[in-house]
Amino acid sequence: AQTVTQSQPEMSVQEAETVTLSCTYDTSESDYYLFWYKQPPSRQMILVIRQEAYKQQNATENRFSVNFQKAAKSFSLKISDSQLGDAAMYFCAYRISNTGNQFYFGTGTSLTVIP
Amino acid sequence: GAVVSQHPSRVICKSGTSVKIECRSLDFQATTMFWYRQFPKQSLMLMATSNEGSKATYEQGVEKDKFLINHASLTLSTLTVTSAHPEDSSFYICSAIEYQETQYFGPGTRLLVL
Repeated sequence: AQTVTQSQPEMSVQEAETVTLSCTYDTSESDYYLFWYKQPPSRQMILVIRQEAYKQQNATENRFSVNFQKAAKSFSLKISDSQLGDAAMYFCAYRISNTGNQFYFGTGTSLTVIP
Repeated sequence: GAVVSQHPSRVICKSGTSVKIECRSLDFQATTMFWYRQFPKQSLMLMATSNEGSKATYEQGVEKDKFLINHASLTLSTLTVTSAHPEDSSFYICSAIEYQETQYFGPGTRLLVL
């Protein structure tokens, strides 16, 4: 079974500091995609970053970067220079490539940014 | 990024009535759309996968006759909650898959059944 685990229900970070959100997943597939989505209080799900499993290079998107460890099945999100607008629920998600099947979501991490 | 709209954003209805929620991909064609339900402070729960031109695939425990899904075109999927009851009150989110397997989400619909 495909599962995604986010072991940190809540995290906090001081404004301008760096925080890392953890995510692990369980799969027997070799070709898949990983995502981090952000859900602010408006509840609109926003794509933060994506990673193809076949790529060894870690994805980056401005202040957001990932540490993808395929052998360990780990996909953590690093937020640098945290801003107040980064406060949100963050969901890690996984999807098998080219199957048309569902995404598997973690339970989420609530991030608080302290001014 | 790709844009998905959802309408209405909020609806209040009486118990026993039916409610239709529309999900549109505005700038891309989506052969596959998903419908989720989200309870407060919880993750998304997949209800069904909507495929253009064919029947939706429902997740285990989701009543097909209660939650009717129609994917009539490559840009529109609808979810109809039939004979709604207070326990159907929730936040419903649709999504569509665009380029490179990425899922884009609508803004969600808050349903309150009185």
